[in-house]
Amino acid sequence: GQNIDQPTEMTATEGAIVQINCTYQTSGFNGLFWYQQHAGEAPTFLSYNVLDGLEEKGRFSSFLSRSKGYSYLLLKELQMKDSASYLCAVRSGSGNTGKLIFGQGTTLQVKP
Amino acid sequence: GAVVSQHPSWVICKSGTSVKIECRSLDFQATTMFWYRQFPKQSLMLMATSNEGSKATYEQGVEKDKFLINHASLTLSTLTVTSAHPEDSSFYICSAEGPPNSPLHFGNGTRLTVT
Repeated sequence: GQNIDQPTEMTATEGAIVQINCTYQTSGFNGLFWYQQHAGEAPTFLSYNVLDGLEEKGRFSSFLSRSKGYSYLLLKELQMKDSASYLCAVRSGSGNTGKLIFGQGTTLQVKP
Repeated sequence: GAVVSQHPSWVICKSGTSVKIECRSLDFQATTMFWYRQFPKQSLMLMATSNEGSKATYEQGVEKDKFLINHASLTLSTLTVTSAHPEDSSFYICSAEGPPNSPLHFGNGTRLTVT
């Protein structure tokens, strides 16, 4: 079966660092994605991991451990506009294709 | 690059009518598109995988006769919600696979309200 878990809500302070964890158990693995979604809008792509290790992209970094079925998204120097839902998604399938299965999302609230 | 356009962005319809939602890949060809549904404060639930030139693959629990999917060209997939009911009110989002090793690109979504 497919199971992707992430915390429902998190709160952090402006300027701080926050780590959002994601664990997964899926039939097939072909990459893990993180998306940001503001209320009423479509998701926007943040980062992608297919191999173990850390991928850094400006204020955002994502880590993957395939053996542990674990990933995290790290947000640095938090800004108020980072208040949003963060979705962890696993792609199953072969090659560079395959459907994305999403976790329930983590709502992050950034406070002044 | 890799822009996905979805239309309409919102629609209000009466119960029992049908609504068609279009999803277009503007600057790339997409042999595969995906349709998701999202209820308030919930995550995206995959409804079906749309394959150009063949029948769509529906996820368990999704009625294929109610949610008709047509993927007639490499740049267009449509989702028709037939005989819509208030419980079908939701945010429908399409996505398309772009070039290799690229993330899934999402349309801006369609907010459907059935009265």
